[in-house]
Parts: sequence; structure tokens; C-alpha cells
Amino acid sequence: EIVLTQSPGTLSLSPGERATLSCRASQSFSSTYLAWYQQKPGQAPRLLIYGASSRATGIPDRFSGSGSGTDFTLTISRLEPEDFAVYYCLQYGSSPRTFGQGTKVEI
Amino acid sequence: QVQLQESGPGLVKPSETLSLTCTVSGASISSYYWSWIRQPPGKGLEWIGHIYYSGSTNYNPSLRTRVTISVDTSKNQFSLKLSSVTAADTAVYYCARSSAFDIWGQGTMVTVSS
Repeated sequence: EIVLTQSPGTLSLSPGERATLSCRASQSFSSTYLAWYQQKPGQAPRLLIYGASSRATGIPDRFSGSGSGTDFTLTISRLEPEDFAVYYCLQYGSSPRTFGQGTKVEI
Repeated sequence: QVQLQESGPGLVKPSETLSLTCTVSGASISSYYWSWIRQPPGKGLEWIGHIYYSGSTNYNPSLRTRVTISVDTSKNQFSLKLSSVTAADTAVYYCARSSAFDIWGQGTMVTVSS
């Protein structure tokens, strides 16, 4: 099983600032199978990034993903008020599919 | 657009079987894989398993002995059964379209309690 470790656990920032979220895997896998999600309280997760760097439909270009092997990054270039949420990474290349434990981006 | 909707009891007694259904609208279930994912209160996400329209399944080893996922293509639905539940199975249960979980249902809270 591939274990994904996200850091930091909590990121305290202000609107307009840049957020950098990390997702590290216990073993290397193809970046084709790395995704990022945003979840707000009481809502289902929303797909932001798939294939490590491809934005999902309707996702603003302030969200970008990068990385390969075991190290992946989600960057939010300039935080908007609606971006404060919990972010999860997911690997979907091997079974079982596994999520990171989440990073909370708070004001 | 494609929408997913979970349905089923919100309260299940310990040792009994949790049963949920996901109805797919706006697209045929006869393509893609379809998954169940859960989230205990205040915690992270756990993939339970997925099914292809043909009936082929893949389960999380942590739950494999208790999980059954099935599909009914005539109703455009797929279902989850989780047996011998305990309080640890209390969670919001989501259905989602695989492989990158691009579409999710709104989720349904299931509480295991006597």
C-alpha cells in the first residue's frame, strides 16, 4: 500500500498569499495517477488537479500541481477567501487507492 | 451533467449490515469505474472499493472481508453492503466516479449505534 504523507498539517495564511502544500509518497509511482482535492465543511471533496498537473474542469488557474516520483506539490498562487479549506492528495495508480491525511489552509 | 446520489438508512445497529445505493443520472453507468469512499467525523478519506459495470470489483484489503459492491445497470445504480458494522464504521459515505474521483455524490451520514 502506498502511504501518502501531507505537510504541513495546517497552513495559516492571509488572502493574497501563496500556499504551497506537499504530498510525499512511501514509494514512487507515476505522476499520471496523482490527484488533489479541496473539501469545505459539510461538502464533498472537489477534484482540483489530476495527473499531478492537469486542472479539472472549471478550476481557476491560480491552482497548479507539480511533482513526480514520490514528491508532489499543490500551489495556490494567490489565496482567495473561498480557498480556505482542507486539501487532500490521492494516488489512484495502485490498489488500494490511498489519500493523504489532509492539509488545512486557514486564515 | 452527471450527478450521483447516495441513499440508504442513516442509522444501523452494531453487528448488522450497512446498505447504501448510489444512483447515477446524466450518464450511463456502463462505462467508468464507480467507487465508494467514506469519511469518519472529523477525519480523512478512505477508499472502500470500486466496481466496473461488468461487475468486476476491487476492494480495500482493510475492509475486504466485510464489503460487497454490486451494480444494477438497468437502474443505473451501484450499491454497497458492509457487514458486521461497529461504531468505527460511523462515517459519511460517498459514491464517486473513478478513476480520479472527478464526480462525487453529496454524501450520506451513517451512524452505527444501538
